[in-house]
Amino acid sequence: EAQVTQNPRYLITVTGKKLTVTCSQNMNHEYMSWYRQDPGLGLRQIYYSMNVEVTDKGDVPEGYKVSRKEKRNFPLILESPSPNQTSLYFCASRVPMGTLHFGNGTRLTVT
Amino acid sequence: TQLLEQSPQFLSIQEGENLTVYCNSSSVFSSLQWYRQEPGEGPVLLVTVVTGGEVKKLKRLTFQFGDARKDSSLHITAAQPGDTGLYLCAGARAGNNRKLIWGLGTSLAVNP
Repeated sequence: EAQVTQNPRYLITVTGKKLTVTCSQNMNHEYMSWYRQDPGLGLRQIYYSMNVEVTDKGDVPEGYKVSRKEKRNFPLILESPSPNQTSLYFCASRVPMGTLHFGNGTRLTVT
Repeated sequence: TQLLEQSPQFLSIQEGENLTVYCNSSSVFSSLQWYRQEPGEGPVLLVTVVTGGEVKKLKRLTFQFGDARKDSSLHITAAQPGDTGLYLCAGARAGNNRKLIWGLGTSLAVNP
């Protein structure tokens, strides 16, 4: 089944403790992206990647890192999480100009 | 400033009623997409409209792209509880098709 898989689905952590949210897609898509979704602010893009080893900042990149060493994986790294990064995170992928396929989300709480 | 304004923000209706939700902008878009997001899941694409004045139908859902490609509407006929969810519109700006501009969504609840 074609899908975008994020892990974990839920994560509660403390301020400053580094964490990684994984994202993997099995559709051989070149483009991958991370979003956060917050009430009243909607979906905001954090980082995106046009292909392997090519990443770029989205609208809200501060406090996040990404890497794209392989086509299928696009992990989101929070080196020192803070409470304002409490949010619902989505990974998405697509072929160029194609339909965005989203994962089922990761709900992160930073205390 | 939100480039894509969706209205209403919240809508609660009874099963069988009709409804229309709107996605408006002062900017021109080369294409506009509608997604539905159910609780605990990611958004799922419903339709993409690309031509001004275009109307697309998906069973009981009718999507329209404005003539000037600045706005869009989604009409649902005889709503069912399974239509409950967050409806998001997202537009690709002319000249920058790589980046999608997202609306904040309309949260629809259809009560049995």
